[in-house]
Order: sequence, then C-alpha cells, then structure tokens
Amino acid sequence: QKEVEQNSGPLSVPEGAIASLNCTYSDRVSQSFFWYRQYSGKSPELIMSIYSNGDKEDGRFTAQLNKASQYVSLLIRDSQPSDSATYLCAAPDTGGFKTIFGAGTRLFVKA
Amino acid sequence: DGGITQSPKYLFRKEGQNVTLSCEQNLNHDAMYWYRQDPGQGLRLIYYSQIVNDFQKGDIAEGYSVSREKKESFPLTVTSAQKNPTAFYLCASSVQANQPQHFGDGTRLSIL
Repeated sequence: QKEVEQNSGPLSVPEGAIASLNCTYSDRVSQSFFWYRQYSGKSPELIMSIYSNGDKEDGRFTAQLNKASQYVSLLIRDSQPSDSATYLCAAPDTGGFKTIFGAGTRLFVKA
Repeated sequence: DGGITQSPKYLFRKEGQNVTLSCEQNLNHDAMYWYRQDPGQGLRLIYYSQIVNDFQKGDIAEGYSVSREKKESFPLTVTSAQKNPTAFYLCASSVQANQPQHFGDGTRLSIL
C-alpha cells in the first residue's frame, strides 16, 4: 500500500452538489493531514489542515479524519465550476522530515 | 507581503548545460523543498532542507544539486546529467518539516 492513496478520478459533479474526495493512508505517515487544491498549470495551495479525529469545517469545505479506518476526506458543499481542480491529500511521514503527497483527484464541476 | 518567489517563470536549457532555478522565501520558514511535476502526474520530491546549511536527497535527486547557505534561499541546479529535465519545478517552504507547505508559482523548464 502506498503511504497516501487517492482515486485519480476524474470526479464529476453538477453545480450545487456536494463533492466528496477521499484519501486513505498507511502506518508510514503521521496523523496530520493537509488538503491542497491545484488548478491546471498552477502551483498547489493549502486549503485545509486536520490533526484530530472528526470533522473540521471552513466555509464550504469540511475535512473529515477517521484514524480507526485510516481515511481522510474533503467535502465541498455547493460545488461551483471554479472548484474544478486537482485536489491533493498530503501527510508528513513518520520520520517527520518530509511530506508525502497523494497523486491527486481531478474534480470537474459541471455548470 | 510574505511569500515564496521562484524565478524565472520559464527557462530553456541547451544540451549539456547546467541551469539554476531560484527560490527565495521571506516567511522565516526553516524547511524548504523542491518538487518536480510532469504533465498529469503528482509531485515528486527532489531535495529538502530542514535547516540552513543542511539538505537531504528526496526520491529523484539524481541529476540535481542544491545549496542552503541562507535561510531564505534554496536554489536548485539542474545539471547536464539530468537527461529528461522538461517539467514544472515547484519550490515550497514550511515553518518546520512536519507542517503544511506553501508553494511558489513554479518554474517551467524545457529543452531547446
């Protein structure tokens, strides 16, 4: 199993729907997780961090962490065409020296 | 405003030439990183530095070199030994190695 795994997609949702992006992880990463958004041709930007079990909400975004099942998810409510991007899940490795990035999930929001 | 500045935005390399990509940050971050991204692919770690005057090889360090003589600067040299250098190069920094990273705008390197 890879340290951080994501479904590459593409995930297609209609405008206004909830987009659900998922990420599973192995024991080789620590328990801090970061979600980045990367628009085509641009650099990644941090949108959410989550460090403890449960939900964390920030505007239309909710990050969910389930340590028992080793998955972390990002929900985007009221999806907009401007949310169309690749979403990267990331976590520091257990050594704490570098961050492991998933391959990313491409999201398309149809108007 | 604090941030990470990468230059140049576009760079062309001739056969046999070494080129250096600049990365400067004024965020007072200890840790800095270089990634390579090929079209439609994820990020691959080239080198990282946890603190000034120290750096470590990442997953694809062959054909690349770095230095970290100042806290705010982490230049990447793409040497002639890197036979397939065409890619999008991203520099990032974080307060410490296990904290969220902030990225520069990237440099696109192509072969002439």
